Amino acid sequence: DQQVKQNSPSLSVQEGRISILNCDYTNSMFDYFLWYKKYPAEGPTFLISISSIKDKNEDGRFTVFLNKSAKHLSLHIVPSQPGYSEVYFCAASGTNMNRDDKIIFGKGTRLHILP
Amino acid sequence: DGGITQSPKYLFRKEGQNVTLSCEQNLNHDAMYWYRQDPGQGLRLIYYSQIVNDFQKGDIAEGYSVSREKKESFPLTVTSAQKNPTAFYLCASRNLGGARPPLGRDQPQHFGDGTRLSIL
Repeated sequence: DQQVKQNSPSLSVQEGRISILNCDYTNSMFDYFLWYKKYPAEGPTFLISISSIKDKNEDGRFTVFLNKSAKHLSLHIVPSQPGYSEVYFCAASGTNMNRDDKIIFGKGTRLHILP
Repeated sequence: DGGITQSPKYLFRKEGQNVTLSCEQNLNHDAMYWYRQDPGQGLRLIYYSQIVNDFQKGDIAEGYSVSREKKESFPLTVTSAQKNPTAFYLCASRNLGGARPPLGRDQPQHFGDGTRLSIL
């Protein structure tokens, strides 16, 4: 059962507009959420994170919003710039009684920026 | 220049062979991880280690083995028991120091560039 879900395998956005990537999670023990960007044949690159005590974090072109009651987070990218159809991964982690250190990844959303 | 190095970038294995994928980091990170990525799939955790000489199974550990004899090294062996080994393998590391979320600022994982394993 997927604990971190990215329900859109791909997303197409016009150049210059805002890209919004969505992510849902099921485990209420998650308290730290991350977004990564990945190009083919490369490792993921960390973009931005948010702790569960916040509902928004901003870093340059990237803003992450967290809605804990809905178990939902989103990544906003402004403006959308042409890239190489990279994939954006949502990830989550949480500490439990055993201090388990797993980070759980979603399946990713491929972002296409249209000219 | 600090980072995570995975080698080789491409690896071919014959049926019935064990192969070992290398992962080295000079970031002085405590924890190291191995993930597998298949087409259309996210990253699935194979094994992880938070401290030298200790490691835990992830979600898909069957057919794999690891060791953590040194802090900077976390090699992954794909054994002949792994029935579908063709995949892109990613190694990551992370610093575990400091206060944990939600009060503290956790540390993201840093990834290597991956090893693509194919079966001949």
